[in-house]
Amino acid sequence: QQPVQSPQAVILREGEDAVINCSSSKALYSVHWYRQKHGEAPVFLMILLKGGEQKGHEKISASFNEKKQQSSLYLTASQLSYSGTYFCGTATQGAQKLVFGQGTRLTINP
Amino acid sequence: GAGVSQSPSNKVTEKGKDVELRCDPISGHTALYWYRQSLGQGLEFLIYFQGNSAPDKSGLPSDRFSAERTGGSVSTLTIQRTQQEDSAVYLCASRSTGSLYGYTFGSGTRLTVV
Repeated sequence: QQPVQSPQAVILREGEDAVINCSSSKALYSVHWYRQKHGEAPVFLMILLKGGEQKGHEKISASFNEKKQQSSLYLTASQLSYSGTYFCGTATQGAQKLVFGQGTRLTINP
Repeated sequence: GAGVSQSPSNKVTEKGKDVELRCDPISGHTALYWYRQSLGQGLEFLIYFQGNSAPDKSGLPSDRFSAERTGGSVSTLTIQRTQQEDSAVYLCASRSTGSLYGYTFGSGTRLTVV
């Protein structure tokens, strides 16, 4: 079953912060985050594993709440280059494929 | 190669024709995936290869869709008797062995069925 992302879209001014959530009804083993710019391929940002620590560095980080089967992506002091559609991809234990959410479109304005 | 290569980048075909889409993964990546992305939508799983075997083909929409992988490298996705609803961007991704690695996607093939 497809994970649910929220919000579906968000518009920010440069320098503002954003949080994108990804929720699943299944017990997850891993969560991936990708960013896709218009007309381009999705680009891997980070992976979070069950029992692992919060990942990320500088201004983009993510967490994984195993009790809620939810992951959150944090973008702080956003830059114009952060614009794009963010997808979470989830996998259950033993699964070899990712199931992706419907995406969150992030627009950063000057 | 340095990245995942897909060809053609664009394909316009007439309804009812067969098409072949090619994916050349990163050298040494044993896992290969095909996804489909319709306009403004998320990524829909089609098939997963480990080496030349396809242990999960559960996402193939119908028997008009098939895929193979040879030599643990190049993969071909074939769509027979194309329909307008097949129009989408077909993305291929490869991944190194191990759970800590993300997918590397190719730029995709934009298929338009007219």
